[in-house]
Amino acid sequence: DTGVSQDPRHKITKRGQNVTFRCDPISEHNRLYWYRQTLGQGPEFLTYFQNEAQLEKSRLLSDRFSAERPKGSFSTLEIQRTEQGDSAMYLCASSLRTGSYNSPLHFGNGTRLTVT
Amino acid sequence: AQSVAQPEDQVNVAEGNPLTVKCTYSVSGNPYLFWYVQYPNRGLQFLLKYITGDNLVKGSYGFEAEFNKSQTSFHLKKPSALVSDSALYFCAVREYGGATNKLIFGTGTLLAVQP
Repeated sequence: DTGVSQDPRHKITKRGQNVTFRCDPISEHNRLYWYRQTLGQGPEFLTYFQNEAQLEKSRLLSDRFSAERPKGSFSTLEIQRTEQGDSAMYLCASSLRTGSYNSPLHFGNGTRLTVT
Repeated sequence: AQSVAQPEDQVNVAEGNPLTVKCTYSVSGNPYLFWYVQYPNRGLQFLLKYITGDNLVKGSYGFEAEFNKSQTSFHLKKPSALVSDSALYFCAVREYGGATNKLIFGTGTLLAVQP
């Protein structure tokens, strides 16, 4: 299965530490999205890339959050100085955009972050 | 601003009975609507989408959804529920041709199918 892959699946960290998550999208997909999901809520948009360009960022994405997609393939999401409120499932998704066609988002299984 | 409402936190249905999971939306222009399903500790799986055309959209696993522009609704339906359909269902919307490409998700509806 060459779906969206996220690493690690689980991360436990202490408050104040930095964490980095990785997402490998479906290989032919040129768009990559990051979402955050907390218990009992739907996914909340954080940011998205088209190829290597970060085209949109949510106001939810504070200065402590940064995302990159340096070669237009995999992406990393880094959270600096983690806080307990950062505890959530971080979901990555990818899609293909060509002309006016935009495929549905395909999601990975997420990285569950617990900040103690 | 775009928004999605899923008015029911949970829907209970007996196996073999029809099911409906409700969704209403708000966008400035034309909507691009989706349903996704999520199993425990997993990501979301795409079920179906509506862009234009027939108001009744058919998707994976026997699910279908009906777009109603006047009621701004996009309810998910299945004629005969299975126990294996038990999961968390999310409706999502994006404005077709709008300035933003982000999908806005509802808060989800937990579907419980009893044997």
